[in-house]
Amino acid sequence: SQKIEQNSEALNIQEGKTATLTCNYTNYSPAYLQWYRQDPGRGPVFLLLIRENEKEKRKERLKVTFDTTLKQSLFHITASQPADSATYLCALSGDMRFGAGTRLTVKP
Amino acid sequence: DVKVTQSSRYLVKRTGEKVFLECVQDMDHENMFWYRQDPGLGLRLIYFSYDVKMKEKGDIPEGYSVSREKKERFSLILESASTNQTSMYLCASTWSGELFFGEGSRLTVL
Repeated sequence: SQKIEQNSEALNIQEGKTATLTCNYTNYSPAYLQWYRQDPGRGPVFLLLIRENEKEKRKERLKVTFDTTLKQSLFHITASQPADSATYLCALSGDMRFGAGTRLTVKP
Repeated sequence: DVKVTQSSRYLVKRTGEKVFLECVQDMDHENMFWYRQDPGLGLRLIYFSYDVKMKEKGDIPEGYSVSREKKERFSLILESASTNQTSMYLCASTWSGELFFGEGSRLTVL
């Protein structure tokens, strides 16, 4: 079955910088890939979905890319703020499996 | 507004007890999922259902069963709870694509 890897368990950055999170998968390319945000003690909340025929998608300060050749998605948060501190999860379409998540901390 | 409701936020049970975790969605979604989440392991899929009375095993179904008698309700059952089932349990639903999650049920088995 698919293996989904998010490269960092934790990422610390300074406020105002761009955070870049990585999601890699091993086998077939999914029809689409999703990113979620999870705050401590809460359920994940959907952020963005990108389809296999889309290279890039943006929503406010968020940007997602999808490279089916590299089998990788990158998730960027520009002009990061302390309120962006959370765990970010990627998920593949179809079977809805998730990566383990990256815990982002934005320091003021 | 979309809503997925999990019946209990916190439960404490004893080893060997039968445990029911209930999940109800109000969006008429076909697809429902149960995950457990543990530190360092992320979300792991236990069971899912694409229709009433239909269920499919996920990656870690051992020790669990599910019930989907009505479209809006998907129940997770621990037939005989064990300490290694102490975890956060998350229910989700979708029509196609975006998953809507409940707030989670934190289960402690003593």
